[in-house]
Amino acid sequence: AQSVSQHNHHVILSEAASLELGCNYSYGGTVNLFWYVQYPGQHLQLLLKYFSGDPLVKGIKGFEAEFIKSKFSFNLRKPSVQWSDTAEYFCAVEEAAGNKLTFGGGTRVLVKP
Amino acid sequence: EADIYQTPRYLVIGTGKKITLECSQTMGHDKMYWYQQDPGMELHLIHYSYGVNSTEKGDLSSESTVSRIRTEHFPLTLESARPSHTSQYLCASSEGVYTEAFFGQGTRLTVV
Repeated sequence: AQSVSQHNHHVILSEAASLELGCNYSYGGTVNLFWYVQYPGQHLQLLLKYFSGDPLVKGIKGFEAEFIKSKFSFNLRKPSVQWSDTAEYFCAVEEAAGNKLTFGGGTRVLVKP
Repeated sequence: EADIYQTPRYLVIGTGKKITLECSQTMGHDKMYWYQQDPGMELHLIHYSYGVNSTEKGDLSSESTVSRIRTEHFPLTLESARPSHTSQYLCASSEGVYTEAFFGQGTRLTVV
């Protein structure tokens, strides 16, 4: 069974700092990759996704992620965070053939004003 | 805005009671999922469905059961609730492969 690992459980940073959240997965076949965000009191929503093509994908709110197939990684980045980016971020992997969507443990990000 | 609804949002119930958590989507999606999420913890897949009359168990063993009689409806049932079932339950749906999943607001269940 595939697994998804997010290395940082909690991240605290100041506004305007750069953010990078790591995500690694274990499945060796073709995968679809996602980052979801959960703002306080809200439901999970999609931040960005990768299915194929350019491994650098851009999402909403200035976020981007890079798929590195050789490292089984899909790290999320934002050059300059805002207080409103305080949320929990989840990486998710879907086996293209299997249809099961597996989530990582999540990373809580706190941006101090 | 995704149209996927979970009811109730919050539920406090006594040990031994039977409960059904409702999940409905109006998007006509074939795939639906149930995840369990403890506060501040990861999401664990407990059930999923590819379509009507198809259900599969997820990665996390669960004493709950699900049914998929209609495309839009994917209820989760606990025959006899226990305190260990206290958690948040998230329902999601997606159109198929190469599409994202849409999540409901969740049901926060407390068994006392």
